[in-house]
Amino acid sequence: KQEVTQIPAALSVPEGENLVLNCSFTDSAIYNLQWFRQDPGKGLTSLLLIQSSQREQTSGRLNASLDKSSGRSTLYIAASQPGDSATYLCALEGWDAGNMLTFGGGTRLMVKP
Amino acid sequence: KAGVTQTPRYLIKTRGQQVTLSCSPISGHRSVSWYQQTPGQGLQFLFEYFSETQRNKGNFPGRFSGRQFSNSRSEMNVSTLELGDSALYLCASKGTDSYEQYFGPGTRLTVT
Repeated sequence: KQEVTQIPAALSVPEGENLVLNCSFTDSAIYNLQWFRQDPGKGLTSLLLIQSSQREQTSGRLNASLDKSSGRSTLYIAASQPGDSATYLCALEGWDAGNMLTFGGGTRLMVKP
Repeated sequence: KAGVTQTPRYLIKTRGQQVTLSCSPISGHRSVSWYQQTPGQGLQFLFEYFSETQRNKGNFPGRFSGRQFSNSRSEMNVSTLELGDSALYLCASKGTDSYEQYFGPGTRLTVT
């Protein structure tokens, strides 16, 4: 059974810092990995998706990497802004799981002005 | 393209009642998945429907059920509500031409 862990659970940084959010998983047989952002009480917004055959994806100030051999993914946020404050979730889709996503517990990020 | 919509957005029910939630996927998407999000358990997969057929089911009791209509809209039903069913219920849709899943805003269910 796939288990997904995100460390740290919460993070507070001053505006302008570069930061890295971590996601680890136990089963490397993944189809893809998706990073989401969730604002309080709201739905999930897709940030980046990395397919199994890819190593990283970039969108603006965000860069996500995937290392299946070590069971890790990282989300790098450059030059953080207060508007980046949210909970960040990673989710994995397995090869034999249809479209089912297995989520980590999330990292709650606060960027202070 | 309109995003995933969910109705109602908020719902308050009494223990023992039943509830039906609705999800309209992005136009053209045939896969709809449902998730329950609670502070204690995080996001947990309920079930997935594709072309009116349930393809996958999570580890939830039989009180949780769903269906999908020919226009891909989906409903989930929870019978005999318990206090522990209070949660944010999210649905996600996925197209056959994309790897990404797109989530709706959720329905906040409170059971009293």
